[in-house]
Amino acid sequence: EPEVTQTPSHQVTQMGQEVILHCVPISNHLYFYWYRQILGQKVEFLVSFYNNEISEKSEIFDDQFSVERPDGSNFTLKIRSTKLEDSAMYFCASSEAGGYNSPLHFGNGTRLTVT
Amino acid sequence: AQSVAQPEDQVNVAEGNPLTVKCTYSVSGNPYLFWYVQYPNRGLQFLLKYITGDNLVKGSYGFEAEFNKSQTSFHLKKPSALVSDSALYFCAVRMHGSGTYKYIFGTGTRLKVLA
Repeated sequence: EPEVTQTPSHQVTQMGQEVILHCVPISNHLYFYWYRQILGQKVEFLVSFYNNEISEKSEIFDDQFSVERPDGSNFTLKIRSTKLEDSAMYFCASSEAGGYNSPLHFGNGTRLTVT
Repeated sequence: AQSVAQPEDQVNVAEGNPLTVKCTYSVSGNPYLFWYVQYPNRGLQFLLKYITGDNLVKGSYGFEAEFNKSQTSFHLKKPSALVSDSALYFCAVRMHGSGTYKYIFGTGTRLKVLA
């Protein structure tokens, strides 16, 4: 069964550094998302992406965050200048076209630790 | 504002007993409702969804959920719990026809099935 793949599984970075989290969504999916989860609890929406542009973003997704689909297969999340509170598990997800009722398919996440 | 509530942080049940994990929602318009399960160090996995039609929805691993419009609830159920069902369960709602593609997740309920 096709999967969403995320790399790296764990990223440690110093405060103020830039990080890029990588995701390869399922190949025939058209809607892409980033979510984060702090301390294994609430899953928070960051951003949705469709047709090469952001369709919606949350208040968490400020100017320090950006997303890109550079080559038609990868979907990246960049944090320009990391803060301690950015430490979380970041999940990439994708869903099929026509997707109001399409379930999300999640990757296994990247654990970001900011020191 | 749209929201999803999972009133129980943790549910304990003995193996072989029926289980219920509660979810209520607050949305305008018709919701699309989902349940996801998360095992340790993994992404969320889709269990089942309610779109329209029968109020009782059957999903993966023997789980089912009952949509109740008057009570705005979508409780997850299983007739006979297994120890392997122990995990973190998330209810989610996705808005229909509002132009937004995001999912709103509940805070999660940790299910512990005791042998």
